[in-house]
Amino acid sequence: AQSVTQLGSHVSVSEGALVLLRCNYSSSVPPYLFWYVQYPNQGLQLLLKYTTGATLVKGINGFEAEFKKSETSFHLTKPSAHMSDAAEYFCAVTAEGGNQFYFGTGTSLTVIP
Amino acid sequence: EPEVTQTPSHQVTQMGQEVILRCVPISNHLYFYWYRQILGQKVEFLVSFYNNEISEKSEIFDDQFSVERPDGSNFTLKIRSTKLEDSAMYFCASSPDRVGEKLFFGSGTQLSVL
Repeated sequence: AQSVTQLGSHVSVSEGALVLLRCNYSSSVPPYLFWYVQYPNQGLQLLLKYTTGATLVKGINGFEAEFKKSETSFHLTKPSAHMSDAAEYFCAVTAEGGNQFYFGTGTSLTVIP
Repeated sequence: EPEVTQTPSHQVTQMGQEVILRCVPISNHLYFYWYRQILGQKVEFLVSFYNNEISEKSEIFDDQFSVERPDGSNFTLKIRSTKLEDSAMYFCASSPDRVGEKLFFGSGTQLSVL
């Protein structure tokens, strides 16, 4: 069984501040982990993914995430928030050959000017 | 970049009516999915479809739901007799293979059941 937990349904940061969105996963097999972003009235867009290899993965728009097996975490970070980063962010888990993605409840990011 | 297209973007229907949500997956993809997101809740898996048959479905996907790939491009989700609790955003997704590396999502159809 697989699941993800996103801590904090709402996060507010000031423009230029560090963005940290938390995701912890549970998986009985090696996980594939993803962050998706959803802008208003749009679909889910892949930000970044971890499958195998380097545990620090870089995505679009300056985001990155680090897979930490010991902590079962895959937190999303960005050094400096931009107004355009305001959106809903979803963490998801699957496995190699997996037929389903399991999503977290999402974190709404607000960027304060 | 190729994208998954969903129509309509909004659908309003009366309880008990049938609705069909339409999706055009990316053309060379082989695996197709429907997910839904009830307001304020998780994005939930409904069903996956491969080689013209359902490969996996969730508990949500009961007899009221069906999927079809009527031609080489469209992928549809039908709800036979809608209930109030079917109100949600429905996302179609496709992937080129089954290794779970990436899903491409459409922009969703917001279904409102009155």
